[in-house]
Amino acid sequence: SYELTQPPSVSVSPGQTASITCSGDKLGNKYACWYQQKPGQSPILIIFEDTKRPSGIPERFSGSISGNTATLTISGTQAMDEADYYCQTWDSTTVVFGGGTKLTVL
Amino acid sequence: QITLKESGPTLVKPTQTLTLTCTFSGFSLSTTGVGVGWIRQPPGKALEWLALIFWDDDKRYRPSLKNRLTITKDTSKNQVVLTMTNMDPVDTATYYCAHRVPFMETYDPWGQGILVTVSS
Repeated sequence: SYELTQPPSVSVSPGQTASITCSGDKLGNKYACWYQQKPGQSPILIIFEDTKRPSGIPERFSGSISGNTATLTISGTQAMDEADYYCQTWDSTTVVFGGGTKLTVL
Repeated sequence: QITLKESGPTLVKPTQTLTLTCTFSGFSLSTTGVGVGWIRQPPGKALEWLALIFWDDDKRYRPSLKNRLTITKDTSKNQVVLTMTNMDPVDTATYYCAHRVPFMETYDPWGQGILVTVSS
């Protein structure tokens, strides 16, 4: 079965740039999206189709794709960005989520 | 504005069948391209996609759970129902329904979720 691999945790200092990766076989041939989930809350879509940002999502969130790896970048990270982040794609007939990355803003 | 809300039992016994209902507003499941999916999240763990139903009644299931899952829709009531048979304690999780963005494999927005505990 298809898998997406994310680092379990990433730490960043306030104001710095955080990067969270998501790797999967031939991911560059699919679309990836990203969700943010804060404790006790439902996931929120923050990036779709690799690089697009839904309305209302701050510009500091951006997505990119290179080869088999999608990357979520948070520029000028704020304390409010501390959350779990999940990548997601579609393979054959099923939806696949990554294992999630806990972003800690130190 | 699209909203979704999950409802159903919060406690089920092992071997029982779970029936969850997703009631939504702000879109129609008869509109081309639209879908509603179910995703679950065990406590402290990652998101796990379960099932998806499309506007044309096409259905997709997580392969490992396909034999236990059934997803149906009632377009007139703006509802999607998920049933999962033979519940086990490992199925304890928060269950979310979510709006599939038309023609994209992306979910936005999500419901608030319902925590289902499987215990005798």
